[in-house]
Amino acid sequence: NAGVTQTPKFRVLKTGQSMTLLCAQDMNHEYMYWYRQDPGMGLRLIHYSVGEGTTAKGEVPDGYNVSRLKKQNFLLGLESAAPSQTSVYFCASGLAGVVDTQYFGPGTRLTVL
Amino acid sequence: DAKTTQPTSMDCAEGRAANLPCNHSTISGNEYVYWYRQIHSQGPQYIIHGLKNNETNEMASLIITEDRKSSTLILPHATLRDTAVYYCIVRSTDSWGKLQFGAGTQVVVTP
Repeated sequence: NAGVTQTPKFRVLKTGQSMTLLCAQDMNHEYMYWYRQDPGMGLRLIHYSVGEGTTAKGEVPDGYNVSRLKKQNFLLGLESAAPSQTSVYFCASGLAGVVDTQYFGPGTRLTVL
Repeated sequence: DAKTTQPTSMDCAEGRAANLPCNHSTISGNEYVYWYRQIHSQGPQYIIHGLKNNETNEMASLIITEDRKSSTLILPHATLRDTAVYYCIVRSTDSWGKLQFGAGTQVVVTP
């Protein structure tokens, strides 16, 4: 049981390049989330999904797109990377229901030059 | 969701209990109190949550005041591995999935 895994762990992009971050969970969770964390700050929600085929915007969605084609995977895309998107990205998953316990992956450290 | 106020940092001696306060004076009746922690360079880790009653699990205890305006997370026997940023989060049952992480409390456990 690997929990929540993220690929890649590190990435360096040039401004304008695109990339996709992959999040996978093996806990059969309905909900999945993408957060970003800038230095010295708390996490901010980018997008989330309440089930396969559904996505919704979080607090800071601009510049990102997401897809949830399979229940176990949640992809975060950057179409045209900008230096302001330099951050650590965390994926999380959780069960549906009143109690909101989220399980986080190890993070992807992205640098945009 | 109600906002929370936590001290910026606190130190704790190894083996002693660590008591982490959180103020949530505007909390409403359907809002839960959650605690997460983040060890350096890792993803956040769920610790405990509660609504009205005090709660205990294998990691910590959560004490919520009777008026629910504040709470305390207790790590009964702090170890060096407990050094982390601890986040107190209040969330209503109507806004699942939207955990609002503030700046948290940096806890340093010293030998």
